[in-house]
Amino acid sequence: GAGVSQSPRYKVAKRGQDVALRCDPISGHVSLFWYQQALGQGPEFLTYFQNEAQLDKSGLPSDRFFAERPEGSVSTLKIQRTQQEDSAVYLCASSREGGPTEAFFGQGTRLTVV
Amino acid sequence: TQLLEQSPQFLSIQEGENLTVYCNSSSVFSSLQWYRQEPGEGPVLLVTVVTGGEVKKLKRLTFQFGDARKDSSLHITAAQPGDTGLYLCAGRRTSNTGKLIFGQGTTLQVKP
Repeated sequence: GAGVSQSPRYKVAKRGQDVALRCDPISGHVSLFWYQQALGQGPEFLTYFQNEAQLDKSGLPSDRFFAERPEGSVSTLKIQRTQQEDSAVYLCASSREGGPTEAFFGQGTRLTVV
Repeated sequence: TQLLEQSPQFLSIQEGENLTVYCNSSSVFSSLQWYRQEPGEGPVLLVTVVTGGEVKKLKRLTFQFGDARKDSSLHITAAQPGDTGLYLCAGRRTSNTGKLIFGQGTTLQVKP
């Protein structure tokens, strides 16, 4: 596709439910990032993949958060046993190479936990 | 603790006014970027500054990187309603990482 695509755009989950958020990066992009953006705040780094390798997961807030990119393309961010504080917009970004090349962001998935 | 502090957090001005947004840190960054984000969309890159003291212009927007590479500013001349949005600064701590550290953002409203 022309840009980074995320699905679903909106997700409402009951507290305790598991959710899976999908990111389709720009074709051929090596690097993929997940960020969490609370309302009225800047994005916060969650995790980073280079191809299928998860090189940095230092931003994942708890062991309820898990991300994968098994074939080095599509990535899934999974949140188990969702809690109200997980409510946020989850942004995915991809870049052509590893390192400080320009990152392109998707529109995000807005997760609301009720 | 926010590594990158943006100020002001909110700004509401009339069309035609000038404004400056600041992005400050006690840490050195190898590069700083400015993004604009509209509601329901992801951030879109405006500019990257790499060299201390660097100044870049993008039409009515002027970006500056501090000499010590710890701070940056965004100046908008003659603001227009189309400039309304969330402005984010983001930095990279080292030159070989793609990981971005964002400020908390500045919400700009330009009234016609």
